[in-house]
Amino acid sequence: DTGVSQNPRHKITKRGQNVTFRCDPISEHNRLYWYRQTLGQGPEFLTYFQNEAQLEKSRLLSDRFSAERPKGSFSTLEIQRTEQGDSAMYLCASSSLAGGPGTGELFFGEGSRLTVL
Amino acid sequence: GENVEQHPSTLSVQEGDSAVIKCTYSDSASNYFPWYKQELGKGPQLIIDIRSNVGEKKDQRIAVTLNKTAKHFSLHITETQPEDSAVYFCAASIPGTSGSRLTFGEGTQLTVNP
Repeated sequence: DTGVSQNPRHKITKRGQNVTFRCDPISEHNRLYWYRQTLGQGPEFLTYFQNEAQLEKSRLLSDRFSAERPKGSFSTLEIQRTEQGDSAMYLCASSSLAGGPGTGELFFGEGSRLTVL
Repeated sequence: GENVEQHPSTLSVQEGDSAVIKCTYSDSASNYFPWYKQELGKGPQLIIDIRSNVGEKKDQRIAVTLNKTAKHFSLHITETQPEDSAVYFCAASIPGTSGSRLTFGEGTQLTVNP
């Protein structure tokens, strides 16, 4: 499968613990995005990488959240000192800079569901 | 920033009927409008998109229309089938910001009854 891969798919943790999610984008895609989706809502933008550079962060991304994309390949999203309000689906997406039809299309992974007890 | 509103939140149709989902956006600079289908436990999947230089686009049973003046766009699904049942999201993107950063609507739960 050459789609966007996210791990783990499910994570249950206790409040105050740290969690890390990993995203492997489609190999030729140089843009990578993290979104958060809560139950019954649309995905909300968290942050964006072009290659290894983190170019934008949403106000939703508090200082407990950090994302990295070393070497411009896979990305990790870490949440420190988790709170119950962090419970959500964390979606990763990738896209290509190439022009032409389909430019800008986001390909989403299956998501990592976080439950904070 | 951009705000996208989507209606209805739930839609139930009989198999074979048509389904229409409508969205409005706030920022006239938006120029890319994709629609995503999300099945239970899966990530959103692009089903069709339209850019602001086009008024209508069709792909088999799915069509999207865009009215830039009114700042609204719609998804039309004809000859609905039970496998069309899912949550559908509209989204809008402003050029030059974060690549393809999308602002999503709140979703429409479509149920197609056999």
